[in-house]
Amino acid sequence: GEDVEQSLFLSVREGDSSVINCTYTDSSSTYLYWYKQEPGAGLQLLTYIFSNMDMKQDQRLTVLLNKKDKHLSLRIADTQTGDSAIYFCAERLAGRRALTFGSGTRLQVQP
Amino acid sequence: DADVTQTPRNRITKTGKRIMLECSQTKGHDRMYWYRQDPGLGLQLIYYSFDVKDINKGEISDGYSVSRQAQAKFSLSLESAIPNQTALYFCATSDHTGTGDEQFFGPGTRLTVL
Repeated sequence: GEDVEQSLFLSVREGDSSVINCTYTDSSSTYLYWYKQEPGAGLQLLTYIFSNMDMKQDQRLTVLLNKKDKHLSLRIADTQTGDSAIYFCAERLAGRRALTFGSGTRLQVQP
Repeated sequence: DADVTQTPRNRITKTGKRIMLECSQTKGHDRMYWYRQDPGLGLQLIYYSFDVKDINKGEISDGYSVSRQAQAKFSLSLESAIPNQTALYFCATSDHTGTGDEQFFGPGTRLTVL
């Protein structure tokens, strides 16, 4: 079955890089996603990566995908206080019609 | 994002009451979803609909029902609410023509069942 796991909490200082990790169990993932949830708001898609890619970069965000280890990471360069939020990874499996979400990682950015 | 709206935003109700949560979207998307969020558990899919005539159960559909009244409207009902249905409920939409199937979320409805 599918399972997506994340660590619950990460604290970094403003200006440092943040790395949020995610592991998944089902190798039939087609797309993997990172969503951001700010307090009191819904989820907002940050970026996604197709399963045949190893890396995707978008401004301060870098997504790395290691299919062999079933590991996905999101690196945020020059982390700002406005990056404080909960970050969810999610996967879409081949033949499945909806996404499976991890439990979310709360990122706290200290000034 | 005002393109996906949910009503009410907050609701407190008693055990046994019937509750309806509504979702409307102006994005013109064909696909709509209902999720619940509990602390530490992420999002769990309740029901989803890929067009007006398509309704599918998600991971945790027991105790819930849905209605897709139109392409733009997808409502979630709790026929007889119970305390463990206290949660944050999100509606989402996506477009089958979109790359990567990005889902757009509403602001959420906080439901408390006493």
